[in-house]
Amino acid sequence: ELKVEQNPLFLSMQEGKNYTIYCNYSTTSDRLYWYRQDPGKSLESLFVLLSNGAVKQEGRLMASLDTKARLSTLHITAAVHDLSATYFCAVDSGGYQKVTFGTGTKLQVIP
Amino acid sequence: EPEVTQTPSHQVTQMGQEVILRCVPISNHLYFYWYRQILGQKVEFLVSFYNNEISEKSEIFDDQFSVERPDGSNFTLKIRSTKLEDSAMYFCASTDRTSGSSYEQYFGPGTRLTVT
Repeated sequence: ELKVEQNPLFLSMQEGKNYTIYCNYSTTSDRLYWYRQDPGKSLESLFVLLSNGAVKQEGRLMASLDTKARLSTLHITAAVHDLSATYFCAVDSGGYQKVTFGTGTKLQVIP
Repeated sequence: EPEVTQTPSHQVTQMGQEVILRCVPISNHLYFYWYRQILGQKVEFLVSFYNNEISEKSEIFDDQFSVERPDGSNFTLKIRSTKLEDSAMYFCASTDRTSGSSYEQYFGPGTRLTVT
């Protein structure tokens, strides 16, 4: 069974600082997604990573995928308060199959 | 931009009652999913549906749950006899999974189910 782990689970950081969220998964997959969720809201797609070495950037967020290490990272550069949310990685099992979500990282950016 | 829609946005029901959650997937998508998220927890897979049948289901998706595509646009999740622990946000998702697509699942806004 595919297991997806994120760390840290909770991250409190000051505005202007940099930090990285890690997503490890247990079985081979070439497709990984990052989502943002605000409290009580749905899942907003941030990044779609489809191959080993994929790197995507949008604003202050950058995501990468290393399929050999079964690791994805979400790097936050110069955090701002608006980035406060919960971030989930999700791994595609292939075929018809489900996407398995990580535990989530609750990010709090303090002004 | 096409999007997945869900109704109702919030459903309150008494324990033991039946509820039907409705979803309209993106029109050219062929694969449909239900997930749930208990407050403060991660998103959990319930069931996937393709070609008018269930393709995979989780341990959570027991005999109390069923899914149906009653017409060409709607995709429903029925919970026959709700329990307190069914209280959660339920998300519908769809994808096309055709060659050249990203296989990304597009999520609806969710239905918050509260069982009292």
